[in-house]
Amino acid sequence: GQSLEQPSEVTAVEGAIVQINCTYQTSGFYGLSWYQQHDGGAPTFLSYNALDGLEETGRFSSFLSRSDSYGYLLLQELQMKDSASYFCAAGYNFNKFYFGSGTKLNVKP
Amino acid sequence: DSGVTQTPKHLITATGQRVTLRCSPRSGDLSVYWYQQSLDQGLQFLIQYYNGEERAKGNILERFSAQQFPDLHSELNLSSLELGDSALYFCASSGAGGTYNEQFFGPGTRLTVL
Repeated sequence: GQSLEQPSEVTAVEGAIVQINCTYQTSGFYGLSWYQQHDGGAPTFLSYNALDGLEETGRFSSFLSRSDSYGYLLLQELQMKDSASYFCAAGYNFNKFYFGSGTKLNVKP
Repeated sequence: DSGVTQTPKHLITATGQRVTLRCSPRSGDLSVYWYQQSLDQGLQFLIQYYNGEERAKGNILERFSAQQFPDLHSELNLSSLELGDSALYFCASSGAGGTYNEQFFGPGTRLTVL
């Protein structure tokens, strides 16, 4: 299957800004999603990019550059409750869908 | 609450056994996806159904099978279970258009194989 690369762990302090990067394989790609998962919980959808550029939803933004096969999730004004794992997920032709291995975000006071 | 339900929440069984996991999608959703998440791992896409038909296959083992019924609920069957099959199994559903830019996940079934 297609592989997505994202950092395994990121640590930041409350109130800060953090960027979680994701690179993906280009062949057959059509869109990149981001999901949040708290320990023991189900993943919840955060955002989706099919076109280049920035999508903003409150404190969270997501960016896609198709030419660079790269995207990122930007979290602003970090709060303790943002401590979770964040997964990028890429959709490909023939309805295939692949998740990255996840980035664990630790928010410290 | 995503509106997706999964049963059972927990399942403990022995190697070599067979189990069935059940999923009911959100009302109106035609697509159902199954994922496997091993400890501290990402989500492995297993299979997708759309309105009763298999639409896409991911890394699903031959020992595993699934189906989607006319009422749109889905079942994932795992047979000849091995210790390595212990994982959290998630079901997700998405909208009527089959779009999967946003999937709604159920709470998962935690399978433990002893």
